[in-house]
Amino acid sequence: TQLLEQSPQFLSIQEGENLTVYCNSSSVFSSLQWYRQEPGEGPVLLVTVVTGGEVKKLKRLTFQFGDARKDSSLHITAAQPGDTGLYLCAGAYGNKLVFGAGTILRVKS
Amino acid sequence: EAGVTQSPTHLIKTRGQQVTLRCSPISGHTSVYWYQQALGLGLQFLLWYDEGEERNRGNFPPRFSGRQFPNYSSELNVNALELEDSALYLCASSLGTDTQYFGPGTRLTVL
Repeated sequence: TQLLEQSPQFLSIQEGENLTVYCNSSSVFSSLQWYRQEPGEGPVLLVTVVTGGEVKKLKRLTFQFGDARKDSSLHITAAQPGDTGLYLCAGAYGNKLVFGAGTILRVKS
Repeated sequence: EAGVTQSPTHLIKTRGQQVTLRCSPISGHTSVYWYQQALGLGLQFLLWYDEGEERNRGNFPPRFSGRQFPNYSSELNVNALELEDSALYLCASSLGTDTQYFGPGTRLTVL
């Protein structure tokens, strides 16, 4: 069974702070996606990382795929209230997409 | 380009009833995935359809079923509804096993 452990489960920070969300597994994934989901809506794709060691930047968000393609991190610089939401990592394993449990981020102004 | 669409947006049913949820994939995508997102349980994989065939199934009872039509749209059917079936049902589409793009979901409440 492929499991993705995501941490922390919940994060409440002040506007302007930095944060990192982690996604770890003992399995090797062919790719890993990060999604952001707002209450009552579907997850919205933020990024797909494919190559071990890959780093992608999306404005204030930096995504990294581990060298062994077993783990990933999402770093947000200078968080804003608009970043509030549920962040999900999902690893592609064959024809399956395995989701982490998610990190609920709340950014207070 | 239109994204994944789902209908209805919200649905209220009672125990024992049956429900059909619908999903239209992104144009050109051949794969459709269904997920259940119950409160506090994360996304649980239900079904994967590709080119009209069921390719994979999650750990759900047989009363969860579905199909994919020649135009690649899909239906999810749930029979004999139980209270614990209350959840957000998400559909995603992809081109083959490429990145999945999600629809807005259908919120099902079973009373």
